[in-house]
Amino acid sequence: DVKVTQSSRYLVKRTGEKVFLECVQDMDHENMFWYRQDPGLGLRLIYFSYDVKMKEKGDIPEGYSVSREKKERFSLILESASTNQTSMYLCASSLTGRDEQYFGPGTRLTVT
Amino acid sequence: SQKIEQNSEALNIQEGKTATLTCNYTNYSPAYLQWYRQDPGRGPVFLLLIRENEKEKRKERLKVTFDTTLKQSLFHITASQPADSATYLCAPWSGGGNKLTFGTGTQLKVEL
Repeated sequence: DVKVTQSSRYLVKRTGEKVFLECVQDMDHENMFWYRQDPGLGLRLIYFSYDVKMKEKGDIPEGYSVSREKKERFSLILESASTNQTSMYLCASSLTGRDEQYFGPGTRLTVT
Repeated sequence: SQKIEQNSEALNIQEGKTATLTCNYTNYSPAYLQWYRQDPGRGPVFLLLIRENEKEKRKERLKVTFDTTLKQSLFHITASQPADSATYLCAPWSGGGNKLTFGTGTQLKVEL
């Protein structure tokens, strides 16, 4: 069974902390994605990666960075967490850009 | 700019009826369109993909249509059940690049 896992389901951090969200997929997919989801705004793409060490900005990259050192792992980094980054963060992977995306369970991040 | 519109108001229907959800898009011509289901607090799950040269696609009780002239996709669930209650997202893919753009979703509630 295909699987995308995320390091935490719930996370509470303080303003200014550096936050790491980890995502691992076991499907040998080329593409990996980080989204945030907020009520009324839907899924918004933060960053995606189409190969190891390759990344592209999505629609809302400000305040975030990413790292993909291995094909199966894609990390989202909040350099200095702020309260407006409180959200549900979802990781996904796909074989190619046009294929279906497989999502992880999500991490609900609260920044206080 | 590219825009995807799904009805933001929840759709309430009775068990056994057919639910029809709408996805309208403007300012682009997707080659593919995907539909996902999302339950509260969980990541979206892929349901169906339809290509621009396919008018209709079926999977069990699900049916998707794709009208490139109207710039619209309809998602139907026949013989709906309370277990079908969820938010349904459409995601057109424009044919270039590696990313999907998701609509904000429509919440479906199937009542007994």
